[in-house]
Amino acid sequence: EAQVTQNPRYLITVTGKKLTVTCSQNMNHEYMSWYRQDPGLGLRQIYYSMNVEVTDKGDVPEGYKVSRKEKRNFPLILESPSPNQTSLYFCASSLRGHNNSPLHFGNGTRLTVT
Amino acid sequence: GENVEQHPSTLSVQEGDSAVIKCTYSDSASNYFPWYKQELGKRPQLIIDIRSNVGEKKDQRIAVTLNKTAKHFSLHITETQPEDSAVYFCAASPITVRYGGATNKLIFGTGTLLAVQP
Repeated sequence: EAQVTQNPRYLITVTGKKLTVTCSQNMNHEYMSWYRQDPGLGLRQIYYSMNVEVTDKGDVPEGYKVSRKEKRNFPLILESPSPNQTSLYFCASSLRGHNNSPLHFGNGTRLTVT
Repeated sequence: GENVEQHPSTLSVQEGDSAVIKCTYSDSASNYFPWYKQELGKRPQLIIDIRSNVGEKKDQRIAVTLNKTAKHFSLHITETQPEDSAVYFCAASPITVRYGGATNKLIFGTGTLLAVQP
């Protein structure tokens, strides 16, 4: 089944403890992206990647890192999480850029930083 | 940069009525406008999209219109049903050329919670 898989679905952590949220897609998509969803703010893009080893900042990249060493994986790294990064995170992918093909979203990761 | 405003934030309609959600964008170079539906506790899913060379697109009970001059686009749902209840997001894709290629940002509106009352 074609899908975008995020792990974990739920994560509670403490301020400053490094964490990684994994994202994997099995559709051979070139484009991958991370969003955070907050009440009243909609979906805001954190980072995106046009292809392997090509990443770029979205609108809210501060406090996050990404890497794209393989086509199928696009992990989101929080080196030193803070409470303002408590949010619902979505990974998404599309075949070749989101304005050429639809975005497929993962199921989301609900992160709580205390 | 691109800014997308979406109205209303909440919308309640009776089953069978029509629903209209409106979005405006700031970057006149934006050329792609998708709409996503997110049911409670689920992931967003694309329901319809429109490109800047088209003024209107329809898919069964859903239609999207685009006014490039006014920089706004709208989602129209006719004969609403309870299963249409969800949060709807509009988005716009600005074109920015960097390092010899186009970037690929997608800017979302803040969402509209649609409730269809049976």
